[in-house]
Amino acid sequence: QQQVRQSPQSLTVWEGETAILNCSYEDSTFDYFPWYWQFPRESPALLIAIRPVSNKKEDGRFTIFFNKREKKLSLHITDSQPGDSATYFCAASADSAGNKLTFGIGTRVLVRP
Amino acid sequence: EAAVTQSPRNKVTVTGGNVTLSCRQTNSHNYMYWYRQDTGHGLRLIHYSYGAGNLQIGDVPDGYKATRTTQEDFFLLLELASPSQTSLYFCASSKGQGISNERLFFGHGTKLSVL
Repeated sequence: QQQVRQSPQSLTVWEGETAILNCSYEDSTFDYFPWYWQFPRESPALLIAIRPVSNKKEDGRFTIFFNKREKKLSLHITDSQPGDSATYFCAASADSAGNKLTFGIGTRVLVRP
Repeated sequence: EAAVTQSPRNKVTVTGGNVTLSCRQTNSHNYMYWYRQDTGHGLRLIHYSYGAGNLQIGDVPDGYKATRTTQEDFFLLLELASPSQTSLYFCASSKGQGISNERLFFGHGTKLSVL
């Protein structure tokens, strides 16, 4: 069963709009939640990450909102730009499991100019 | 920026064939990983290692062996390749556990086709 779930599978927004990507998880021991992005024909790269000690992490136009009680988090991309068009992966790991990172299936985002 | 080099970039083999994918990182990272990426499944962890001689089982290990010969080198072995193993394979490395050490650096990937 999928331990990290993402929705929607694909998302199209207009330039300047806010894109909202959702992620949920099963394992209560997960304590590190990075988001990776991947551009076509490239490899994934770390975008932003959060630990449950905080419920929000911001980096420029990218913000993670985290709800530990509901085991949910979301990535908000404000003022979306065509260059943000990529696949976004939510991932999770637990310190107790070493550095084993589990990825969701990804959300493909298309930003139309 | 951490460097992770995979070879070959593309590989075609036949069912039952023997394939070795290679990965080298030159940043003294402790952890190395092999993932496969398939549409509809995202990135799935096959095997990983936290040092030379160490091997940890990932989430989809069936049909794969791996060996970490040195700090730098991590190999993925398919001894009897099957069409279901046609995929894009990524190697990655990370420094270790703890804040700022967990970031994965990925190689460019190896596209494997099993006919």
